[in-house]
Amino acid sequence: EAQVTQNPRYLITVTGKKLTVTCSQNMNHEYMSWYRQDPGLGLRQIYYSMNVEVTDKGDVPEGYKVSRKEKRNFPLILESPSPNQTSLYFCASSPSAPGNQPQHFGDGTRLSIL
Amino acid sequence: QKEVEQNSGPLSVPEGAIASLNCTYSDRGSQSFFWYRQYSGKSPELIMFIYSNGDKEDGRFTAQLNKASQYVSLLIRDSQPSDSATYLCAVSGAAGNKLTFGGGTRVLVKP
Repeated sequence: EAQVTQNPRYLITVTGKKLTVTCSQNMNHEYMSWYRQDPGLGLRQIYYSMNVEVTDKGDVPEGYKVSRKEKRNFPLILESPSPNQTSLYFCASSPSAPGNQPQHFGDGTRLSIL
Repeated sequence: QKEVEQNSGPLSVPEGAIASLNCTYSDRGSQSFFWYRQYSGKSPELIMFIYSNGDKEDGRFTAQLNKASQYVSLLIRDSQPSDSATYLCAVSGAAGNKLTFGGGTRVLVKP
């Protein structure tokens, strides 16, 4: 089954404790992206990757890191999480750049930073 | 000013009626326009995309694009209670490598 898998689905942690949210897709997609969703603000793009070893900032990259060492994986790293990073996070992928391709979304990860 | 704007709603429509959702965008170079539906607690799912001015129909859904006026709309005909969800407008910029979402419009279809 074609899918985008995020882990964990839920996480409650404390300020400053490094965490990683994994994202994996099995569709051989080149483009992958991370979004956060907050009430009334829709989805805001954090980082995106056009292909292996090619990443770029989205609209809200502060406090986040990503890497793309393999085509299928695109982890989101919070080196020193803060309460303002409490949010619902979605990973998405598409065959190529989203300008002409719909995004396939994971099920989401709800992060609470205390 | 937000790059992609939507009325947050809720937009309340009776079952069987037409729901009309609007979205405006600020980047004149935007190339592609998407409508996603998101049920509460779920991930967004694509309903339609449109690239060219005019109308595009898919079942009960019609997307309308007017690049001169910088707006895109979604019509839902014969609205059903299962259409109750948040509808997200997404716009791809000129470079095509980023997608910007609006805040979403919550739709409630009442039986």
